[in-house]
Amino acid sequence: QKEVEQDPGPLSVPEGAIVSLNCTYSNSAFQYFMWYRQYSRKGPELLMYTYSSGNKEDGRFTAQVDKSSKYISLFIRDSQPSDSATYLCAMSGGNEKLTFGTGTRLTIIP
Amino acid sequence: EPEVTQTPSHQVTQMGQEVILRCVPISNHLYFYWYRQILGQKVEFLVSFYNNEISEKSEIFDDQFSVERPDGSNFTLKIRSTKLEDSAMYFCASGTDRDNTDTQYFGPGTRLTVL
Repeated sequence: QKEVEQDPGPLSVPEGAIVSLNCTYSNSAFQYFMWYRQYSRKGPELLMYTYSSGNKEDGRFTAQVDKSSKYISLFIRDSQPSDSATYLCAMSGGNEKLTFGTGTRLTIIP
Repeated sequence: EPEVTQTPSHQVTQMGQEVILRCVPISNHLYFYWYRQILGQKVEFLVSFYNNEISEKSEIFDDQFSVERPDGSNFTLKIRSTKLEDSAMYFCASGTDRDNTDTQYFGPGTRLTVL
């Protein structure tokens, strides 16, 4: 079983829709959870981070962590064409190394 | 807003040659990292560096790789004798544990092409 699993997509939704992106993980030592956005041939850009179960909201983005189910989600409300990118989940156990998912390629259709 | 910078943006080299990839981390950060991403694959951890020494390295980071912080601002990754399979995007990242969140900020990457 992979440490971090993420559906690679591609995922296409119409502009204005709510997007749900998800990752599951197997390592109980993971305590810190991050979502990065990556445009083609660019570096990952940090979107959200959290270190506890529950929800964290930042503008149109909501990160959700369920440690009991080892499941994290990122919700994007009122999606825009500029949200089209690859979304990477990443996590760590506090030992500095980030373990990434494969990334989900998202396209928002105008 | 401070950011991580990397040079060059694209490096082409012949197999067996040495390359040095350069990074300038965010100025008040204390933790430095290198990751790589082979085209179409996920981002993979290579090495972390703290207090002027390697704190963790992956299986990928073998004797052909080395890192250095030669001065107060630069952080370099050296590949001594490049192989075709070293072709990838190499990302530098820096972070601080001030908030105990393990957040890391990535540079734009260097695309390394080994011919």
